[in-house]
Amino acid sequence: GAGVSQSPSNKVTEKGKDVELRCDPISGHTALYWYRQSLGQGLEFLIYFQGNSAPDKSGLPSDRFSAERTGGSVSTLTIQRTQQEDSAVYLCASSHDRGYGYTFGSGTRLTVV
Amino acid sequence: GQQVMQIPQYQHVQEGEDFTTYCNSSTTLSNIQWYKQRPGGHPVFLIQLVKSGEVKKQKRLTFQFGEAKKNSSLHITATQTTDVGTYFCAGRGSGGSNYKLTFGKGTLLTVNP
Repeated sequence: GAGVSQSPSNKVTEKGKDVELRCDPISGHTALYWYRQSLGQGLEFLIYFQGNSAPDKSGLPSDRFSAERTGGSVSTLTIQRTQQEDSAVYLCASSHDRGYGYTFGSGTRLTVV
Repeated sequence: GQQVMQIPQYQHVQEGEDFTTYCNSSTTLSNIQWYKQRPGGHPVFLIQLVKSGEVKKQKRLTFQFGEAKKNSSLHITATQTTDVGTYFCAGRGSGGSNYKLTFGKGTLLTVNP
């Protein structure tokens, strides 16, 4: 596609429920990143995928968070047993390779009530 | 771990005034990138600087990378209302984990017409 697509754009969930966030990167981009942005804050790194290499999960805040990337393309970020502190905008980005600028999606705004 | 500090956190200017935001890294960087995020939007890649002492210009925007590759600045000449947004710097480490960007917390620029 022309850009990075994320879905849903907004998600309201009850505390304790699981959520799945989806990211469709730009076709041909080998690197995919997930970041989290809380209101008025910077971008917090979560996880990175590069080709067929093992992902860098060093930014995941707890074992409730996991992500996968199927076929080197679409990625899904899963948050289990959501907590109120998980409320944030989750941004996905892709790049042609790891040394290039990122193209961000519009994000998924997650609200845990 | 690598830290990227950005100042000021906020800057309000009158239209036509100049604006500068500064970025400092705790470690030497392989390169630095700058992004702009409009209110309600997602970060958009502006530029990447790679060489020590590099200076790049985009119309009214001037980007600099320090000689030691630990600091950078973005200067906007004669601001316009379209410049409103948050400007983020993002540094990439020079070690083995040089694929991951560490973002500063950003400088929010508001412009009074």
